Formats: sequence, structure tokens, C-alpha cells
Amino acid sequence: AQSVAQPEDQVNVAEGNPLTVKCTYSVSGNPYLFWYVQYPNRGLQFLLKYITGDNLVKGSYGFEAEFNKSQTSFHLKKPSALVSDSALYFCAVRLLQTGANNLFFGTGTRLTVIP
Amino acid sequence: KAGVTQTPRYLIKTRGQQVTLSCSPISGHRSVSWYQQTPGQGLQFLFEYFSETQRNKGNFPGRFSGRQFSNSRSEMNVSTLELGDSALYLCASSLTGRGETQYFGPGTRLLVL
Repeated sequence: AQSVAQPEDQVNVAEGNPLTVKCTYSVSGNPYLFWYVQYPNRGLQFLLKYITGDNLVKGSYGFEAEFNKSQTSFHLKKPSALVSDSALYFCAVRLLQTGANNLFFGTGTRLTVIP
Repeated sequence: KAGVTQTPRYLIKTRGQQVTLSCSPISGHRSVSWYQQTPGQGLQFLFEYFSETQRNKGNFPGRFSGRQFSNSRSEMNVSTLELGDSALYLCASSLTGRGETQYFGPGTRLLVL
């Protein structure tokens, strides 16, 4: 079975400080990993993905994520948080070896950047 | 290039009614997936369509169904609505559904009274 865990429901960070949103996964194979962001009354907006290759993935709006196979983690990071980064962040996994295209999502982490 | 569009954006229905939601994927995308988002259950996969065929299905009752047309536009239908069907329904499209990024629409918010 596959699952994604986002251990923190809420993360607060001061504007200008680095931010980290945590994600761990459990799959029985090689995963595709994704981060999406959701603003109020909006759909999900793609930030970045890991498929293979370099463990450090750079994405939109200055976000990056590091794939750590031994710790089965894919934490989202940004060196300097902006107030406009305040939103709901979702980590998702898709199994590489199956034919299924569906994403399994974590429960989401609400990021609040304090001015 | 235009993004994924979903219509309508908001719907209010009563228990027992049925509803049809529409999704137009990004031009050239042939895979369309549907997800349900609720505060209690989070984001859950409903089904995926590719070339007018349902390719994958999540764990939802048969009241939830969908279809895809030759132009890749997709509809999902929920019959005999229940209060618990109140949710944000999100549609996502990708080129072929073989690992590419899924791009999401703004969603349709359904309220069942």
C-alpha cells in the first residue's frame, strides 16, 4: 500500500526566514513525488516534482525539495518566506511501476507566513 | 495555453438529486482525472479517463460515474446525492497519464442540502 504523511497540520514562519514543510512517504516501489499548493477557493497549483536523477529539485516561486530515499522523505523548502506563500501545501505520490495515474495525497500543511 | 477549466464553479443541490460536472483539459492533454476534496477525507482519487475509456478507478460507490468525449473533455455524474457528497471536485489533466505532471482546474464546489 502507498501512503503519504505530512506530520504538521500547521507551520508558522516569519517573513524572510527559511521555511520547511515536511513530507514522508511509504510505497512498495519507486515513487514519483509532487508538491502542490492550494490558495483559498482555488484548485491545486503544481510546484515541483521528483521522478529520478538529482535529489534536489527546484520548482516554481523559489521552492525546492530534497528527495531522501533512506528517510523516505521529500521535504519542501524555501530560503526566504514571503507573506504571499501563505497557503495550503500538499505532498503527493504516484507509483512508478503501475499503470495507474492517480495521485495519493497527504492531508495538507497550512503554511502561515507572519509579516 | 489555457488551463484546465471546470463548470460550473458552484452548485447547490438537494439530497436525492443528481448532478453533472464538466471539465475541459489543457489543449493536447488526453488524460483526465477527477478528485474529491473534503475536510474530513482530504483529497481522494475518483477515476481517470484516457481516450474515452476509464483507465483507473478509486474507491467510490457506483453513484459516481464519468465519461470522456472524443475531444478529451470529461464529465462526472453523481446520482442520488447524499449530504456527504458535499465537496470540492477537482479535475486534473495530463498529456498521457504516464507520469507527467497533472494540472488541476479550479474545481466545482458542490453543496448538498
